[in-house]
Amino acid sequence: EPEVTQTPSHQVTQMGQEVILRCVPISNHLYFYWYRQILGQKVEFLVSFYNNEISEKSEIFDDQFSVERPDGSNFTLKIRSTKLEDSAMYFCASSLENPRENTEAFFGQGTRLTVV
Amino acid sequence: DAKTTQPNSMESNEEEPVHLPCNHSTISGTDYIHWYRQLPSQGPEYVIHGLTSNVNNRMASLAIAEDRKSSTLILHRATLRDAAVYYCILRGGGSNYKLTFGKGTLLTVNP
Repeated sequence: EPEVTQTPSHQVTQMGQEVILRCVPISNHLYFYWYRQILGQKVEFLVSFYNNEISEKSEIFDDQFSVERPDGSNFTLKIRSTKLEDSAMYFCASSLENPRENTEAFFGQGTRLTVV
Repeated sequence: DAKTTQPNSMESNEEEPVHLPCNHSTISGTDYIHWYRQLPSQGPEYVIHGLTSNVNNRMASLAIAEDRKSSTLILHRATLRDAAVYYCILRGGGSNYKLTFGKGTLLTVNP
């Protein structure tokens, strides 16, 4: 069964450093998302991406965050200058069809980011 | 986003049916009801969704009240692998691309 793949599974970084979290969505999917979950808290939406541009973003997704689809398979989340409060599990997701049509989203296993 | 209310936790025995309730009294006519679950240390996983009629798939059934103000996710025979946090999420049309997760219901399955 096709799946969303995220790398690395765990990333430790120094405060102020840049990190790039990588995702390979399901190959024929068109809509891509990043969510995060701080330990013990809710899963929070960060951003959605379609047709090489951001379609929706949350208040969390400020200027420190950016997303990119550098080639036909990868989808990345960059945090420019990490803060301690960026420590969380980051989930990538993808869906085949327009989410307005209420199709399912497929989530990856997540990258645990620890900022020290 | 319209709000959903779920019990914080529920317990079940293995191989017995489980009924997970969700209240959504402010649901609008175009809101779909989605259920996702999150197994320990994993990403959320789609379970089922519906609009007005009851829905069945290989994982579960979704029973939607006639007034759509509540719904119930039914796991017909719980297994240990079904132990997870279950999220009931309303998703409308328009420009809403995101899923808004609440705290969900933590389901414990006893052997």
